[in-house]
Formats: sequence, structure tokens, C-alpha cells
Amino acid sequence: KNQVEQSPQSLIILEGKNCTLQCNYTVSPFSNLRWYKQDTGRGPVSLTIMTFSENTKSNGRYTATLDADTKQSSLHITASQLSDSASYICVVSSYNAGNMLTFGGGTRLMVKP
Amino acid sequence: SAVISQKPSRDICQRGTSLTIQCQVDSQVTMMFWYRQQPGQSLTLIATANQGSEATYESGFVIDKFPISRPNLTFSTLTVSNMSPEDSSIYLCSVSKGGTYEQYFGPGTRLTVT
Repeated sequence: KNQVEQSPQSLIILEGKNCTLQCNYTVSPFSNLRWYKQDTGRGPVSLTIMTFSENTKSNGRYTATLDADTKQSSLHITASQLSDSASYICVVSSYNAGNMLTFGGGTRLMVKP
Repeated sequence: SAVISQKPSRDICQRGTSLTIQCQVDSQVTMMFWYRQQPGQSLTLIATANQGSEATYESGFVIDKFPISRPNLTFSTLTVSNMSPEDSSIYLCSVSKGGTYEQYFGPGTRLTVT
């Protein structure tokens, strides 16, 4: 069964600090892995998309890594800001069933001043 | 990219009634998706709606409970029928654009059933 597990479930950090969110998956055959940011009351917004051959991708202060061998990904947030407070969702796409998406449970990040 | 709007943004409904949620996209797309996000949970796919064909429902979701229309390439509706408090969720419309892996989400409709 395809699964995506994220850790931690929630995290509180001080403004200006860095943090790393983890994602482990058992999705096969693997197509791509995405990280989304979901603000409260909003729909998810894409941060990065990585295919099998990519092991790192950045979007501003967000850097995602992918290790396709160990089936792990991380999202690193640098110099956090209050606006980074949101849920971060790891989503893995499979070539099966028309690029079916498997969603992780998300990490709820709170950045405090 | 794609800009998606949903109506209503939120509603409070009584048990046993039905609510139709509208999804409008600013460009033509082949595939539209409807998701449910229960409180504190991640997203669960309800169905895939392609224009010109019947919607494809995921396990645990049936057409009688969640009828979907897809009259053209920019619009879709999801109806939540005979609602119960367990249907209280955020319902999100999503689209993918051909040739990319990107998937875009609407702002969601927050439904509370009393």
C-alpha cells in the first residue's frame, strides 16, 4: 500500500531559526515528490516538485532534498518568518493509476516572534 | 499556472440537506479533482472529473452521495447530499495542466453540518 509519513506532526520554532521537516514514503513506481504549503483556511500551494533524478531543489528560503534510494525527502526552511506558519504537506506521485497522488499527514509549523 | 475559485467559501448546513459547491478555473483544463480534508487531517481524493465522461470515484465515495458535474473545461460542481455531521470538512477543487506535474488547488469550501 502506498504511504507517505511525515515528521514531526507539529513544530514550534522562533522567528529567524532554521528547521527541517521529514518525509518518508513507500510509493511505487515513483514519479515525483512535491512539497506543498497550506495556510490556514487556504488550499495547498506548491513549493517544489522533484523527479527521480533530482536530489535537491530550492524555492527561496525553502530547500527540498530527495533520496530516492532510501525513499526519504526533507524540506529545510532557512531564517524562518512568521508567515511560514502553516501546514507543510509531502505528496508523492505514482506512475500507476494516472499519476495518483499519495498525501502525507502534514507537519504543522508555528513560528513565534 | 491556474487560478481556481470556489463558491461558497463556507457554509453551515442542517443534517439531511444537500449543498452544491462550484469550482471555476481561469483556463481550460482536462482533469479536475475533488478532495476532502477533514479537521486536522490531510487531503483525501473523492473523485476525478473529466469533461465529457462520468466522474471516477475513489474507494469509499459513491456517486449518490457526491454527485459531480463537469459541463465544460473550466467548471465543475460537487454536491454533498443528505448531509450528516460526519460530512463536516473542507472540500477542495484541484486541477492539473497537461504537460506538467503541477497541480493547483482552490481555496476550499469549509462545510459545517449541524
